[in-house]
Amino acid sequence: GAVVSQHPSRVICKSGTSVKIECRSLDFQATTMFWYRQFPKKSLMLMATSNEGSKATYEQGVEKDKFLINHASLTLSTLTVTSAHPEDSSFYICSVGRASSTEAFFGQGTRLTVV
Amino acid sequence: GQQVMQIPQYQHVQEGEDFTTYCNSSTTLSNIQWYKQRPGGHPVFLIQLVKSGEVKKQKRLTFQFGEAKKNSSLHITATQTTDVGTYFCAGFTSGTYKYIFGTGTRLKVLA
Repeated sequence: GAVVSQHPSRVICKSGTSVKIECRSLDFQATTMFWYRQFPKKSLMLMATSNEGSKATYEQGVEKDKFLINHASLTLSTLTVTSAHPEDSSFYICSVGRASSTEAFFGQGTRLTVV
Repeated sequence: GQQVMQIPQYQHVQEGEDFTTYCNSSTTLSNIQWYKQRPGGHPVFLIQLVKSGEVKKQKRLTFQFGEAKKNSSLHITATQTTDVGTYFCAGFTSGTYKYIFGTGTRLKVLA
């Protein structure tokens, strides 16, 4: 069964609004979660690493005030795209890692369209 | 910064032909993983390679990790239409504790 649940799978929002994406680890406590962004027909670009109980580590070029990440518990991390603009339209995917393994489990992804 | 490149970017093969994608990292990796992403889907984990020179097989898929742990390959024997998708490698470095995905190879299989 699914190890990681990501919600919503699709969202359309108006320019200027904020959108929250949830990533839940279903089978184990996830000390680390990763957030990726994927443009059409492109690779997955790591945006940030989310660690439970501490601030997320953002990759170079990723605006932390634009993409707010909260890892409040060992089973939930959220990515909030603030004041979304059409250029934020993309496929966002989370993945979950656990301390005992380097294998990553991916959520189903969220396709965000900003109109 | 660290880069992970894959070649080729695209590959069209006739069903039954073999296919290989190559993954090259600019830095030495702790391990490497391979994923398959179907159109419209999310990446699905295929395998993880950890040891230098490691070779693993999954039915028609053969995975190799280079001796220097900077490159890897995925070979599919006798492709089938179900093999269609984009194959990504993802390099993991223990120093940074994060996965960097390769550029991906999109495979199309013509029946």
